[in-house]
Amino acid sequence: EVQMWESGGGLVQPGESLRLSCAASEFNLSTFVVTWVRQAPGRGLEWVSGISARGDTIYYADSVKGRFTISRDNSKKMVFLQMNSLRADDTAVYYCARAWYCDLWGRGTLVTVSS
Amino acid sequence: QSVLTQPPSASGTPGQRVTISCSGSSSNIGGHTVSWHQHLPGTAPKLLIFNNNQRPSGVPDRFSASVSGTSASLAISGLQSEDEADYYCAAWDGSLNGLLFGGGTKLTVL
Repeated sequence: EVQMWESGGGLVQPGESLRLSCAASEFNLSTFVVTWVRQAPGRGLEWVSGISARGDTIYYADSVKGRFTISRDNSKKMVFLQMNSLRADDTAVYYCARAWYCDLWGRGTLVTVSS
Repeated sequence: QSVLTQPPSASGTPGQRVTISCSGSSSNIGGHTVSWHQHLPGTAPKLLIFNNNQRPSGVPDRFSASVSGTSASLAISGLQSEDEADYYCAAWDGSLNGLLFGGGTKLTVL
């Protein structure tokens, strides 16, 4: 089955770091743009970041710029989201999706930032 | 607050046709293609429409969409109970250099 999935979520305290991973099956993730989107409790979808297939084009939402870093390891066919200086308002389900327009989504991983 | 504006809720009875609007600006809908996504809480969101009005394979033709100027709309005809979900429009914004999502519309099938 063609699918994507996220891993690495969890409970952290404010100021701490977490790294999310995104992988896929039945297609070569290395040849696709990957986008990260999050949904805070009771809120709508919010775009976080995106990275081109070769990793040479990267964009971030203003809300995470300077704190989050997106990267990819095409030899391992994985994409990462390094999240530093986490804040309570970063609490959300984080989804990875394929392409700039998100034609395929993962089921998400929950990140909770709380003391 | 989303730059793409959607009504927070919509409703209809089985068999009816409902439309959901999405209002933006020249830097997003007016200059870039629109996609629509369906999301049931606890599940992976699903792409319904891309490139303004194209359906991926497997999406029923009950779902259609259009764009006019800086506004977009999603229409669902022959409403079914399984259509009850949250619907989001999305478009790239050339000024922000990022993907914008609308605030989402919760569709209730009465």
